[in-house]
Amino acid sequence: SYELTQPLSVSVALGQTARITCGGSNIGSKNVHWYQQKPGQAPVLVIYRDGSRPSGIPERFSGSNSGNTATLTVSRAQAGDEADYYCQVWDSNTVVFGGGTKLTVL
Amino acid sequence: EVQLVESGGGLVQPGGSLRLSCAASGFTFTSFAMGWVRQAPGKGLEWVSSISGSGANTYSADSVKGRVTISRDNSKDTLYLQINRLRAGDTAIYYCAKRGGSGHSYYFDYWGQGILVTVSS
Repeated sequence: SYELTQPLSVSVALGQTARITCGGSNIGSKNVHWYQQKPGQAPVLVIYRDGSRPSGIPERFSGSNSGNTATLTVSRAQAGDEADYYCQVWDSNTVVFGGGTKLTVL
Repeated sequence: EVQLVESGGGLVQPGGSLRLSCAASGFTFTSFAMGWVRQAPGKGLEWVSSISGSGANTYSADSVKGRVTISRDNSKDTLYLQINRLRAGDTAIYYCAKRGGSGHSYYFDYWGQGILVTVSS
């Protein structure tokens, strides 16, 4: 079965840029999607199809995908961006989530 | 406005069964695949099962295959998840989610608030 690997945690200084990676075999050939989840809340889609943003998601959120790594970039990080982030792909008729990354804004 | 409201959770004894429901509104229900995703306490997201818009095609995670049945009633705009032979490892918040995208671009663009299922004696 396909596996996605994320770092457990990423820290970023307020106003700086955070990058959260999602590793998978030849993930660049797949569509990668990203969710943000704050404590006690349901996940929210922040990036779909590698780099597209749903309406209402700030331009500060962007994504890229190539080779064996997809990346979610959070520019000008704010305190409100502190959350868990999950990558996700569709593979062999299954939905696969990464293990999640906790983003801490210092 | 898209709304997804789960119900049917609660405390269940090991070995028991449960049927979760998800009432959908704000979109043409029959046009979209739907899914269930769960999250055990303090853990990450785990996909459980998905169903096509017509209900003809269903997919489930290996971890629950044989114990869960996903279904939908398009006349009632409602999604269901039947879980049998419940065990402690099924304890989680269960989210109902609407599929976005098409083809190999499969993601969930709207989520319910989740419903807690606790399996304990």
